[in-house]
Amino acid sequence: DAGVIQSPRHEVTEMGQEVTLRCKPISGHNSLFWYRQTMMRGLELLIYFNNNVPIDDSGMPEDRFSAKMPNASFSTLKIQPSEPRDSAVYFCASRQPSGNTIYFGEGSWLTVV
Amino acid sequence: KQEVTQIPAALSVPEGENLVLNCSFTDSAIYNLQWFRQDPGKGLTSLLLIQSSQREQTSGRLNASLDKSSGRSTLYIAASQPGDSATYLCAVRDDKIIFGKGTRLHILP
Repeated sequence: DAGVIQSPRHEVTEMGQEVTLRCKPISGHNSLFWYRQTMMRGLELLIYFNNNVPIDDSGMPEDRFSAKMPNASFSTLKIQPSEPRDSAVYFCASRQPSGNTIYFGEGSWLTVV
Repeated sequence: KQEVTQIPAALSVPEGENLVLNCSFTDSAIYNLQWFRQDPGKGLTSLLLIQSSQREQTSGRLNASLDKSSGRSTLYIAASQPGDSATYLCAVRDDKIIFGKGTRLHILP
């Protein structure tokens, strides 16, 4: 299995630009999670989906952040407009139905200058 | 609100020593607790998962324990090796999966 696939791996963008991060979960997994990791705050859950439906988005920092899951094999996290404080590593993870272990992608390293 | 704390934040020990990493959580109503390893520039790899009804899990040189009533878990690493150097994170699952900030472990050759 290819694992959770994220793109891009690295992105540097200017403040005010739109950023779109992409995730392909493991086939057959029905839960998908977006996390943000920084040195100061550690890993923070932004949003998670079950069967493509957003269940809890209370971790999304503000309206500049949005996430979609149009089908079982694809999700996006969008930041518009981006700000320097959004610089972090964004991880996507997935879990199979009735499963316990979650599987992480390699992360998208975002730098906003 | 569930909070997960890991102490110490960083640890350096000589190769060959046994060591214990600690994790505490504030709400004992959890489904399970999981320990992960993260190497620099990489994602997280699951090491051990303990269900709420279990007391411990073992995998090779790793042993994880869970005391749900006191809100504590430990990860024991036996006969540490330089390849064990990484950040170790614990995560608890209630309706969400909440992570601690991790312990950065450095094994000195």
